[in-house]
Amino acid sequence: GQNIDQPTEMTATEGAIVQINCTYQTSGFNGLFWYQQHAGEAPTFLSYNVLDGLEEKGRFSSFLSRSKGYSYLLLKELQMKDSASYLCAVLDGGATNKLIFGTGTLLAVQP
Amino acid sequence: DGGITQSPKYLFRKEGQNVTLSCEQNLNHDAMYWYRQDPGQGLRLIYYSQIVNDFQKGDIAEGYSVSREKKESFPLTVTSAQKNPTAFYLCASRWDIENTEAFFGQGTRLTVV
Repeated sequence: GQNIDQPTEMTATEGAIVQINCTYQTSGFNGLFWYQQHAGEAPTFLSYNVLDGLEEKGRFSSFLSRSKGYSYLLLKELQMKDSASYLCAVLDGGATNKLIFGTGTLLAVQP
Repeated sequence: DGGITQSPKYLFRKEGQNVTLSCEQNLNHDAMYWYRQDPGQGLRLIYYSQIVNDFQKGDIAEGYSVSREKKESFPLTVTSAQKNPTAFYLCASRWDIENTEAFFGQGTRLTVV
């Protein structure tokens, strides 16, 4: 089977740091993506991990542990515009290469 | 400009009618995907296609059908067999190799009355 889990909602303060976790169980693995989605809009790509470790891209970093089936997205110096849903997605791999999304985490940034 | 286009943005249909959602991309991507998103939820995979004239069912394919006659087009038909079709539908495409992200269209919000 396949399962990708994230917390449903999180709240953080402007200027702070927040970590959004994602755990996954999939039949295969060809990489993990993080997307940001504002309400009523299309998701936009944030980061990609396929090897264990941390990938840093400006205020956003993403970490992967394949052995634990675990990833997190770290957002630093939070801004009000970071209020959005954050989606974790796994490329299932194998012959079919399905792209499967988690349930999404709605982040609210407060002043 | 290269991109992925969904049309229309808003669509209203009467219950019992079939409706087709358009998805076109000029990015020369191999793989295309259809997702459904309900309020406050993540994306659920309906169908996907890695190559022309071939497609696979996702997790919630019942009540939907697709075709992939051309590389750039992947239309989704919501049939009358879909019990609860009102939702936000998103189409995506990507190169079918490991480290490439999916690009999304702007979505179609379907309301069945």
